[in-house]
Amino acid sequence: AAGVIQSPRHLIKEKRETATLKCYPIPRHDTVYWYQQGPGQDPQFLISFYEKMQSDKGSIPDRFSAQQFSDYHSELNMSSLELGDSALYFCASSSRKEGYYGYTFGSGTRLTVV
Amino acid sequence: GESVGLHLPTLSVQEGDNSIINCAYSNSASDYFIWYKQESGKGPQFIIDIRSNMDKRQGQRVTVLLNKTVKHLSLQIAATQPGDSAVYFCAEIGPGGKLIFGQGTELSVKP
Repeated sequence: AAGVIQSPRHLIKEKRETATLKCYPIPRHDTVYWYQQGPGQDPQFLISFYEKMQSDKGSIPDRFSAQQFSDYHSELNMSSLELGDSALYFCASSSRKEGYYGYTFGSGTRLTVV
Repeated sequence: GESVGLHLPTLSVQEGDNSIINCAYSNSASDYFIWYKQESGKGPQFIIDIRSNMDKRQGQRVTVLLNKTVKHLSLQIAATQPGDSAVYFCAEIGPGGKLIFGQGTELSVKP
């Protein structure tokens, strides 16, 4: 079965650089979510999109932005990177129309800021 | 400076024993709950879910119990195996579908 695909798996950036993370949701899922997970912590919600429109926003810094494209893939853009942005970034998708059934996470992108 | 992660609660069991992992949730109006398993460096992996109109649901070797009165979830793993070693999170579906995670529990299975 198709899963949520994230790229890249690993990313190393220097402070003040920009990073772009990509997410390809499960086909027919209408909602995409981005989460950030620090060491030993549970995932923290950043932002979500329903049918290509931003639907909710969590603790996402103003330096970050995201969008969902016509093919439903989503990108998280992170600018002016700081050391504290080093974390695992997960994308998840689900079917809101079906009561969020099948809420599935990707394998994540490990971002290291040096 | 260097960030330090939180110390997770740990459950240590012998291979073959049953494991019970507990979780409290926050919103009495939540109607959908999911248990995830997360291995180091990997994404959360769906284990089992339950809707609020049920109090028990069984899967293969796993059972989830929901007590809405005290806002408590538990995950029972039968005949725990070394491959079950991971961090386990419960999550409730919040407004707009974002997940609200409970504190993870690290399960360690001794062979």
